[in-house]
Formats: sequence, structure tokens, C-alpha cells
Amino acid sequence: SAVISQKPSRDICQRGTSLTIQCQVDSQVTMMFWYRQQPGQSLTLIATANQGSEATYESGFVIDKFPISRPNLTFSTLTVSNMSPEDSSIYLCSVLNFENTEAFFGQGTRLTVV
Amino acid sequence: TQLLEQSPQFLSIQEGENLTVYCNSSSVFSSLQWYRQEPGEGPVLLVTVVTGGEVKKLKRLTFQFGDARKDSSLHITAAQPGDTGLYLCAPGSSNTGKLIFGQGTTLQVKP
Repeated sequence: SAVISQKPSRDICQRGTSLTIQCQVDSQVTMMFWYRQQPGQSLTLIATANQGSEATYESGFVIDKFPISRPNLTFSTLTVSNMSPEDSSIYLCSVLNFENTEAFFGQGTRLTVV
Repeated sequence: TQLLEQSPQFLSIQEGENLTVYCNSSSVFSSLQWYRQEPGEGPVLLVTVVTGGEVKKLKRLTFQFGDARKDSSLHITAAQPGDTGLYLCAPGSSNTGKLIFGQGTTLQVKP
């Protein structure tokens, strides 16, 4: 299993500002992902965080809005840029186990934009 | 377009009742996973079903994979308040590792 720590756990931000969310894993993992969960909804994949190269974004998500860094195999950040109230969501970091058979998730970052 | 349709979307029941939630698709999957997300937490894997017609039991939870590997069901016997949460299904992650979840079923079990 993998233990994932996300920071911050929650934040309230002013519109127009940016927030960077950190994800730290207790072991080296190949694959890391970022998901968004809007209020009362399921999880939607934002992007795959690639170590040493640019993230791979899903349809509807762009790098300018959600820049992602992954400097090594245990750490990644997601920035939510130029925030609006529509960005109010829970953002979750996820990794796969070595066999790629199970996903582990952080507790999420609950973001409220006012 | 959602690959997987989950139903019902919301279910509120009394402790001790039985329930079934469904995960349906027109696509065939090599495997399917069920996750549960409790309030304030990330999703946690409950089970992976691989073989058509397969039935797996996890205490009071029974998971079934359809014969054609297009659908799955989760049956909970004698639900308890601790079963409260969001139940999500997703095709087993391929080489990409990406999980594309269904809309989820929110279950509330009242004491």
C-alpha cells in the first residue's frame, strides 16, 4: 500500500488568486494522478503527472489553468490558477501500486473560492 | 460521455435493510473495480472483478460481474451506518493507470 499526504487539507481562497496543492507519497511510484471532485459528484481525472516531463491532461483541462509539477517519484504539485467560484471542489492525488492493480488516494484538498 | 452508468445515484435506507447498486455499460471490460469513499476521505478499493459471472464476497458485501463483462452489481446485506459513503465503479486501470469513474451511488444508512 501507499500512504499519501496532501497539503493543505482545505483552504478558502479569493477569486483571481492561485493555490498550489502538494502531494507526498511514502514510497517511489511510477504513476501519479490528479482528480477533481465537484460538490456531490464523482471523481474526474484532471491529468497524469509525469516525472521529468510535462503532465498529460484530459479533455477539458489545460496546463495554463492547472499547472502540474513532478520533480521526483514521490512528490507532485497541482496549482489551480486564477481561481473562480466554479473551481470550488475537492482535489485528490492518486498513485498506483507496483502491480498497477490498485489506486491509492490522498484525503483530498477541499477548496472553496469566494 | 460516461463509460459507466451507476444507479441509483442516491439511496437512503434504515440500518438492517438490504440494497443493491448497479454499474452498467455498453462496453466490455477486462476487469472492473469498486471503490468506496467515506466523507472526508479518498476512495478505497473494495474489490476487482475479472471473470464474467464472477461473484466475490467481502463480509456483508457481494459483488458480481456480468457474464458479458459489461456490468456489475454490489449487494449489501443488513446495511450498517458504517456503510455510508459514495460507491464508485471504474474499469480496471489499463497500462495508462487512469481510472474513469461512474457517477457514483451515494448511500446513507440511518441508525
